[in-house]
Amino acid sequence: QSALTQPASVSGSPGQSITISCTGTNSDVGGYNYVSWYQQHPGKAPRLMISEVSNRPSGVSIRFSGSKSDNTASLTISGLQAEDEADYYCSSYTSSGTLVFGGGTRLTVL
Amino acid sequence: EVQLVESGGGLVQPGGSLRLSCEVSGFTFSSYWMHWVRQAPGKGLVWVSRINSDATDSDYADSVKGRFTISRDNARNTLYLQMNSLRDEDTALYYCARDGFGFAFAYWGQGVLFSVSS
Repeated sequence: QSALTQPASVSGSPGQSITISCTGTNSDVGGYNYVSWYQQHPGKAPRLMISEVSNRPSGVSIRFSGSKSDNTASLTISGLQAEDEADYYCSSYTSSGTLVFGGGTRLTVL
Repeated sequence: EVQLVESGGGLVQPGGSLRLSCEVSGFTFSSYWMHWVRQAPGKGLVWVSRINSDATDSDYADSVKGRFTISRDNARNTLYLQMNSLRDEDTALYYCARDGFGFAFAYWGQGVLFSVSS
């Protein structure tokens, strides 16, 4: 199972919006609405930010939103804040009954 | 409060074996599927394995299939990962994670590190 494709890095200024893409295939992202997004700060465990493509768990800021079109899922962060600087990973359920993560995206807040 | 605490890390020689444990508290362990996810130093997250709530079904990433075995003891609220025929590329921080719905992990342990090196 190949990793989902994410940009290695994205950046934005405080207050701006950014979008991170996550591209898979019909056998994972395109085939199921089981795409999740995680935020990971250095030395910390990942934190679930979005589940089932667009559901925001309790406690996650409304600045974080998710969507999907065909084989590509997206995470949008609006009103960028310094604390959003972190690594972000997407994941998807697959037709094999397994899970696959994206390679990760480093978000830099300028 | 939900807690997942991994243990069992260390240094192992190539070809060796090791068992990781993940003791949980704060929720009904026997009701949830559980997973192991690993992260090599400076690298991204990689899904390793999952087990269903009553331990009747499990699955593995191709990279560990045939070498790793996931198991659980619902009476002891503990998840395990038996790792055999270890390779250098298995060196990583290993996290246990609780499945919510659709393989979304709202709860993670702090991770346990082990290295494979001669």
